[in-house]
Amino acid sequence: GAVVSQHPSRVICKSGTSVKIECRSLDFQATTMFWYRQFPKQSLMLMATSNEGSKATYEQGVEKDKFLINHASLTLSTLTVTSAHPEDSSFYICSARGGGSYGYTFGSGTRLTVV
Amino acid sequence: AQTVTQSQPEMSVQEAETVTLSCTYDTSESDYYLFWYKQPPSRQMILVIRQEAYKQQNATENRFSVNFQKAAKSFSLKISDSQLGDAAMYFCSNNAGNMLTFGGGTRLMVKP
Repeated sequence: GAVVSQHPSRVICKSGTSVKIECRSLDFQATTMFWYRQFPKQSLMLMATSNEGSKATYEQGVEKDKFLINHASLTLSTLTVTSAHPEDSSFYICSARGGGSYGYTFGSGTRLTVV
Repeated sequence: AQTVTQSQPEMSVQEAETVTLSCTYDTSESDYYLFWYKQPPSRQMILVIRQEAYKQQNATENRFSVNFQKAAKSFSLKISDSQLGDAAMYFCSNNAGNMLTFGGGTRLMVKP
């Protein structure tokens, strides 16, 4: 079946530094990838949609300069949290469109803690 | 805009019994899919079942089935013969407009 690998699974960083999260589709080409943020005991909130080779589309209220998304190839999208602050601490999940008709495959998520 | 509503924040079921999770949605699209995802404590999103909006027949996957009422925009999930491993958060979602829109989730507890 379709597999999406997301790394790292956990990261702790100091306030003011940047963190990069990778999302790779291992056995299919993902023309579209999605990045979600999930707070404890809440649902997934879409942050942005990235299409290979083009600029990401950000949801309202998401700072594009803080959450940099790059989708340079059909198998890799990255989310960089720049100048991280404690309020950026959250669970981030990527999802790739592909791997079968109307399939959405999810990564295992990244727990980011900013101290 | 697409919206998905899950009115039950928590549900509880006895092991081996049947439980139904509710979901309503709103979309102006005519062609879309509906999904139920399970999120266990590991937080990995797992697809439980999928329904094509143009199909009248309700989808089934082993112990999981849906009751899809297109006119009412309702998409409930029935879990039969509940097992301890079914305990998780369940999210209903709609892919109208290419992206997935999620409901607020229902936490399912399974009592032994």
